[in-house]
Amino acid sequence: GDSVTQMEGPVTLSEEAFLTINCTYTATGYPSLFWYVQYPGEGLQLLLKATKADDKGSNKGFEATYRKETTSFHLEKGSVQVSDSAVYFCALRARGSTLGRLYFGRGTQLTVWP
Amino acid sequence: DAGVTQSPTHLIKTRGQHVTLRCSPISGHKSVSWYQQVLGQGPQFIFQYYEKEERGRGNFPDRFSARQFPNYSSELNVNALLLGDSALYLCASSLDGTGTTGELFFGEGSRLTVL
Repeated sequence: GDSVTQMEGPVTLSEEAFLTINCTYTATGYPSLFWYVQYPGEGLQLLLKATKADDKGSNKGFEATYRKETTSFHLEKGSVQVSDSAVYFCALRARGSTLGRLYFGRGTQLTVWP
Repeated sequence: DAGVTQSPTHLIKTRGQHVTLRCSPISGHKSVSWYQQVLGQGPQFIFQYYEKEERGRGNFPDRFSARQFPNYSSELNVNALLLGDSALYLCASSLDGTGTTGELFFGEGSRLTVL
């Protein structure tokens, strides 16, 4: 079945460090891929998305590239800030699936120290 | 503009009881989806409703039910509560119910504790 595997956390970094959070997926066909972020006490927010192979999603300095050959959608940021501390979720929507149905990974807690 | 609003924000129930959670979508959005997020895990899809009809159902028992009203708000009902139902219940709205690229907008959730 459709699923997402996300690297285990927590991840602790110093400000301005480089961030990578790994995400791989299993799906039939070509799913749409998403990264959501959950700040403390808030709901999930869409960070970026990619809907076809080789697409690169980007927002707020974060990037992720849809790699069909490795079934991956790793999240990267060149220089993290304290304000990036949050839980990050990788998710997919299967091709042909209803719009509201996403499959989420377990989430990765990121803490950035000044 | 108001985002997705959920109520109540926190509630405590005992095993065997029933609970009703409520969600108001963003104005103009016609689709509502419900998710369960157990502590330490990612959200799991429960239901999607679009134009008052069920459009998708996740792998949850029949104790879970939902409906959508003419104003597009929605209720999630859980009967015969179990300890394992303790979780954050998230509601998400979207403009449409179909397609694969549309965005979901999430509320802050209702945290249910079952004792």
